Amino acid sequence: DTGVSQNPRHKITKRGQNVTFRCDPISEHNRLYWYRQTLGQGPEFLTYFQNEAQLEKSRLLSDRFSAERPKGSFSTLEIQRTEQGDSAMYLCASSWSVRTAGELFFGEGSRLTVL
Amino acid sequence: TQLLEQSPQFLSIQEGENLTVYCNSSSVFSSLQWYRQEPGEGPVLLVTVVTGGEVKKLKRLTFQFGDARKDSSLHITAAQPGDTGLYLCANPNTGNQFYFGTGTSLTVIP
Repeated sequence: DTGVSQNPRHKITKRGQNVTFRCDPISEHNRLYWYRQTLGQGPEFLTYFQNEAQLEKSRLLSDRFSAERPKGSFSTLEIQRTEQGDSAMYLCASSWSVRTAGELFFGEGSRLTVL
Repeated sequence: TQLLEQSPQFLSIQEGENLTVYCNSSSVFSSLQWYRQEPGEGPVLLVTVVTGGEVKKLKRLTFQFGDARKDSSLHITAAQPGDTGLYLCANPNTGNQFYFGTGTSLTVIP
């Protein structure tokens, strides 16, 4: 098991372009989370999947953001019509059933820079 | 959104000094976790505290859960440069969401 894998690690794009990030969680984990993080701040919750179902989405999340987990394995996070304010680190985490204080396992993140 | 306030936000100390960081909320938690995030990496779990008043030790790190389960502290003894990182508290018991605190960025100067 290689842990949670995210790619690309870095993405530089021009304002208005679309970008997509991929997350491959630990294989036996049924829960998958996406977070956004800016420098020196705690991760901000974006969305959560249990298997293939998207069960929660932050109200702060713009309609330009969409996430999928089609077969309950890998997930993608797409940002349409990027803005400079979207520049951040996008973190993916997975876990097995966080019913009682489970542990999140994070990937190394995908850093987005919007010019 | 359940707000987890951490203090201080930034801390820069010399190697060998002691420090304490805090995590506070107005809500009662059934459990609380602490993570450390090193530059360029994702956060990694350090400890989970469950019982009010609980104290857990991890080498030079001491974690305490408040009696009322609304706050927690992390104390580091004789800090080393390898302790440098972003320390995050988290509440894993918010249903489908998993909230993190605002973070404390620690720099230990050799």
